[in-house]
Amino acid sequence: SQKIEQNSEALNIQEGKTATLTCNYTNYSPAYLQWYRQDPGRGPVFLLLIRENEKEKRKERLKVTFDTTLKQSLFHITASQPADSATYLCALGINAGNMLTFGGGTRLMVKP
Amino acid sequence: GAGVSQSPSNKVTEKGKDVELRCDPISGHTALYWYRQRLGQGLEFLIYFQGNSAPDKSGLPSDRFSAERTGESVSTLTIQRTQQEDSAVYLCASSLYREKLFFGSGTQLSVL
Repeated sequence: SQKIEQNSEALNIQEGKTATLTCNYTNYSPAYLQWYRQDPGRGPVFLLLIRENEKEKRKERLKVTFDTTLKQSLFHITASQPADSATYLCALGINAGNMLTFGGGTRLMVKP
Repeated sequence: GAGVSQSPSNKVTEKGKDVELRCDPISGHTALYWYRQRLGQGLEFLIYFQGNSAPDKSGLPSDRFSAERTGESVSTLTIQRTQQEDSAVYLCASSLYREKLFFGSGTQLSVL
């Protein structure tokens, strides 16, 4: 069956360090992968999209990689700040499908 | 409006009652999605509307769940004969292109 796995345990890091979150998937052939940020009591907010033919995408302090051989995406936040503390969700989309399928999310805690 | 608006923000109901949740998408967005998020979980796809095409209802968990959308405007999600297992946050999202979703803040449904 199709699965999207994100580490369900919270990731705790020190301010200024690089946070790395992982998204693994099985039995998918996604055309693109997205990352969203979700704060408590709010809906997810779009951060980045990376397509299957792209290896890496950057936006300010954010970097996403997409390895279709390993079936994995890594999401990096460099020079992390306490304000980056949130839950981060990955989502897969396929061209022929209608829905965007989400992973369970990983909670990031950045300590000052 | 500037963003996706959902109402009510909170809904407490008794088991067996019907509830109706409303979503106002961003003006001009042709696609509209409903997701369910149980406490501490990821997003579970419910239903997708795209313009005047037949909706993708593949995620609706039972025939107690239904949704409507009038053209490219407001959508309502109806849950009949609510059960305690229906307690969750119901998130609506809209998009201009399928790839980037804009979410509302959700409706927190509590079934007593």
